[in-house]
Amino acid sequence: DQQVKQNSPSLSVQEGRISILNCDYTNSMFDYFLWYKKYPAEGPTFLISISSIKDKNEDGRFTVFLNKSAKHLSLHIVPSQPGDSAVYFCAASAGYGGSQGNLIFGKGTKLSVKP
Amino acid sequence: DTEVTQTPKHLVMGMTNKKSLKCEQHMGHRAMYWYKQKAKKPPELMFVYSYEKLSINESVPSRFSPECPNSSLLNLHLHALQPEDSALYLCASSQGQFKTEAFFGQGTRLTVV
Repeated sequence: DQQVKQNSPSLSVQEGRISILNCDYTNSMFDYFLWYKKYPAEGPTFLISISSIKDKNEDGRFTVFLNKSAKHLSLHIVPSQPGDSAVYFCAASAGYGGSQGNLIFGKGTKLSVKP
Repeated sequence: DTEVTQTPKHLVMGMTNKKSLKCEQHMGHRAMYWYKQKAKKPPELMFVYSYEKLSINESVPSRFSPECPNSSLLNLHLHALQPEDSALYLCASSQGQFKTEAFFGQGTRLTVV
């Protein structure tokens, strides 16, 4: 049973527009969420994170929104750039009392930003 | 220095070989991880070391043997692997085991023949 779900395998966006990547989770013990970007044949690169005590975290062009009641988070990239084209993984972890902090990854969404 | 360095980048080994994957970080992180990633799948956790002690073993077969010689180094010893073990092996580290970002190395592409 998948605990972290990214239901869109791919997303195509025009350069300069907003990219919205979505992620749903089922485990209510998750209290820390992260987004990673991955290029082929490389390890994931950390982008941005959010704790469950917040509903929004912003870092430059990247903003993550968390809706705990819906068990949903999203990553907004504004404006999108061709260099953002990569696979984006949503990951979640549970802290004390949960799964000891290991990251559970979604299957990823491949973002293509067209010039 | 925000790098996690993995060696080798590529490894081809036979099913009777013994090899080791190495991982190094100098960020003072006290948690280190091994993940396995198959093509078009998300990374899956194998082992977690926290303060140089094995904290989590996700029911990984004994042909994979982790070792943490010190707080900067993490090894994964491989013996008698199967072709289905071919994958990208990712090392990661984080400041602590809870609620902290994990930084990943570039991975070792392992092929078992």
